[in-house]
Amino acid sequence: DIQMTQSPSTLSASVGDRVTITCRASQSISNYLAWYQQKPGKAPQFLIYKASNLESGVPSRFSGSGSGTEFTLTISSLQPDDFATYYCQQYKSYLYTFGQGTKLEIK
Amino acid sequence: QVQLVQSGAEVKKPGASVKVSCKASGYTFTSYGINWVRQAPGQGLEWMGWISAYNGNTNYAQKFQGRVTMTTDTSTSTAYMELRSLRSDDTAVYYCARGNSGSPVDYWGQGTLVTVSS
Repeated sequence: DIQMTQSPSTLSASVGDRVTITCRASQSISNYLAWYQQKPGKAPQFLIYKASNLESGVPSRFSGSGSGTEFTLTISSLQPDDFATYYCQQYKSYLYTFGQGTKLEIK
Repeated sequence: QVQLVQSGAEVKKPGASVKVSCKASGYTFTSYGINWVRQAPGQGLEWMGWISAYNGNTNYAQKFQGRVTMTTDTSTSTAYMELRSLRSDDTAVYYCARGNSGSPVDYWGQGTLVTVSS
């Protein structure tokens, strides 16, 4: 199975900060990577597909990049609504896998 | 609008089985597959498997092979996930989520809490 590793596990930041979360794959997944946001007690929300394409309705302060084995999710200017846990997911293999998650906390 | 509505919370004893349903609306059911993802308390997301609503083909994570069965009923646009031989570490919220094989998951159900306790 393809393993996905996110870093950091926890990130403390303030409103207005620019933050970056990294996701690494154990083998090349081309750009078959998605990002999700999850708030406590809620289902995940789909943010980004094919590593860098924003899903409709997702604010433009979110962006994704990368290919092969290393990927990033960047939030350009944190808003109060962005404090949540973020997951990457590979869909290159028909056996999908998620990263372990990055919890974005208010500093 | 696309909606996936799941069945209610379940409490099961160790060794029992649970069957969770996921009723889809707002799109052509047979044009997409359904993934099942679970989340243990305080833990991350774990992909369990996928079923094609078009032809019933399935892909299961190796961890669940032999213990999980995913099915669909196209007449009611409903997907089902049955997990057998439950253990305490199967306690989790189980989500269904729309997506085709080779595509990301886009819409999620609200989740079903399954508690396994003696």
